[in-house]
Amino acid sequence: GAGVSQSPSNKVTEKGKDVELRCDPISGHTALYWYRQSLGQGLEFLIYFQGNSAPDKSGLPSDRFSAERTGGSVSTLTIQRTQQEDSAVYLCASSPGVGLAGKETQYFGPGTRLLVL
Amino acid sequence: KQEVTQIPAALSVPEGENLVLNCSFTDSAIYNLQWFRQDPGKGLTSLLLIQSSQREQTSGRLNASLDKSSGRSTLYIAASQPGDSATYLCAARLSINYNQGGKLIFGQGTELSVKP
Repeated sequence: GAGVSQSPSNKVTEKGKDVELRCDPISGHTALYWYRQSLGQGLEFLIYFQGNSAPDKSGLPSDRFSAERTGGSVSTLTIQRTQQEDSAVYLCASSPGVGLAGKETQYFGPGTRLLVL
Repeated sequence: KQEVTQIPAALSVPEGENLVLNCSFTDSAIYNLQWFRQDPGKGLTSLLLIQSSQREQTSGRLNASLDKSSGRSTLYIAASQPGDSATYLCAARLSINYNQGGKLIFGQGTELSVKP
């Protein structure tokens, strides 16, 4: 596609339920990132995938959060047993590469707005 | 730990004015610095990326500068227009293991309003 797409655009769930958020990066981009944007916290890094390397999970806030990237393309962010503090906009981004000048510009999707009641 | 700060948090200017947005970072060992704009309810749009070896980048009415030694970057917007109204975010990419881990550390953003 022309840009990064995310689904769903909005998600309302009840506390304790699991949710899955999907990201389709720009075709050919080897790097994929998940960020979270919430009021008062700004934009926080969650997890990063680059090719076949082990993902950098250093930003995941708890073990309720996990992500996978299948076939080097689509990624799914899963939040188990959601809590109200998980309410935020979850943004996905991709870049052509990493460590190469000019290849690191990150292109963001529109985000998924998650509300946990 | 890298921290990124943006000042001011909000700015309102009349149309046509030139303006400067400020970004500071605590760890000068950055690989690059990126500026984004975010419109309400939307994702981020990349504006400019400055490599650590560069001093500035220009795109149209936008000019971003980088001074690693002082830990500062500025985004200059010339002849501002109402369509420039948005939140502007800067983000630093650390240079440690430069070919691994492209994660960005974001500032809190400057909310810009350009009045017609």
